Amino acid sequence: QLQLQESGPGLVKPSETLSLTCIVSGGSITSSDYYWGWIRQPPGKGLEWIGNIYYSGSTDYNPSLKSRVTISVDTSRTQFSLKLTSVTAADTAVYYCARLRYFDWTFDYWGQGTLVTVSS
Amino acid sequence: QSALTQPRSVSGSPGQSVTISCTGTSSDVGTYKYVSWYQHHPGKAPKLIIYDVSKWPSGVPDRFSGSKSGNTASLTISGLQAEDEADYYCCSYAGRYTWVFGGGTKLTVL
Repeated sequence: QLQLQESGPGLVKPSETLSLTCIVSGGSITSSDYYWGWIRQPPGKGLEWIGNIYYSGSTDYNPSLKSRVTISVDTSRTQFSLKLTSVTAADTAVYYCARLRYFDWTFDYWGQGTLVTVSS
Repeated sequence: QSALTQPRSVSGSPGQSVTISCTGTSSDVGTYKYVSWYQHHPGKAPKLIIYDVSKWPSGVPDRFSGSKSGNTASLTISGLQAEDEADYYCCSYAGRYTWVFGGGTKLTVL
């Protein structure tokens, strides 16, 4: 059974960089059938797609966040990571990692999410 | 790229049916068949319950059904059960390798 687990600091100061890692277990991160994505949910709001990465390193980002987001993959450690720069309180959210199926553009497995609070 | 529009809340009694709408635009829901629905119990991982507008992943009961008309997709839950009480989110591929989610709907089983 595929499992994804987010990890990283729960508190980040304004203007600093938010860094999270998603560890993938029970499946291959190098399968050609899947992308790997990040989604977030601010308190009291809906889900927002942040971006995806393919095992080759190819990325796609939400245009509204593109200037501040970098997603990378480490296939040797079966994990992928999110960096969001210049954070503000508006970036406070639960951050989820998920697997995206290439053949029908569906997020089929998700992590439980991790809350990141931006505050001084 | 705007969020898909869902009702904030819906409710129903056990055994009844409820429908949750998800309204997008001709750039997302109206053009692509790649609409999916997720059930989310707070504190847990969101669970895929419908993909490709109306298909079921393995293990999801057929009490959950999906459809689409124009720019609006819908999720219908029939034979409501207490464990169906959760938040539900829709998602659509929006072209150019981008995705958009709905604001979420809280389902209360009375």
